[in-house]
Amino acid sequence: KAGVTQTPRYLIKTRGQQVTLSCSPISGHRSVSWYQQTPGQGLQFLFEYFSETQRNKGNFPGRFSGRQFSNSRSEMNVSTLELGDSALYLCASSLGSKTGELFFGEGSRLTVL
Amino acid sequence: DAKTTQPTSMDCAEGRAANLPCNHSTISGNEYVYWYRQIHSQGPQYIIHGLKNNETNEMASLIITEDRKSSTLILPHATLRDTAVYYCIVRSDDYKLSFGAGTTVTVRA
Repeated sequence: KAGVTQTPRYLIKTRGQQVTLSCSPISGHRSVSWYQQTPGQGLQFLFEYFSETQRNKGNFPGRFSGRQFSNSRSEMNVSTLELGDSALYLCASSLGSKTGELFFGEGSRLTVL
Repeated sequence: DAKTTQPTSMDCAEGRAANLPCNHSTISGNEYVYWYRQIHSQGPQYIIHGLKNNETNEMASLIITEDRKSSTLILPHATLRDTAVYYCIVRSDDYKLSFGAGTTVTVRA
């Protein structure tokens, strides 16, 4: 079956702009999580959605937001971009249990100039 | 989440077993040990997880000590494609993974 699909794979923005990233989970998966990966901070949890509800949130400012649609697809948005937001943004899908394995997409690489 | 300690890096010869240690001395009773790996520029890949008992799948084996304070991931026959960063994660019941720095494993021919 198809894996987790993230779009776009690469994008370049300038400071102050906003960006929306998309994630299509594996068919049948109802949970979508988002992670940010930077060389300095490593992989950090942003938030997790299940059945259109945010169940858990990491320690990121309010400029980072997300949502999940009824078909389980998810989007995350970063407003007022800063240079430090340059990162690989990874989406992971799962069935939604607390101990289920997460399947990651290839990520969206954002560069902020 | 309980913290984990892993060596920064390790080398392994192709065809030999790779044994990756992980310390998680503050693990609590309901926390699982997960292993993921990340090959350069790709998303992390699930390897295996366990609670108390040793586990084995087609990729690896996971050995958890009786006191659960440490574990070892074993790649039975390392190949060049196993070169990656390996993350040992202790996961509580809050739907997220807390990644550390991981171990950079280099498999050499």
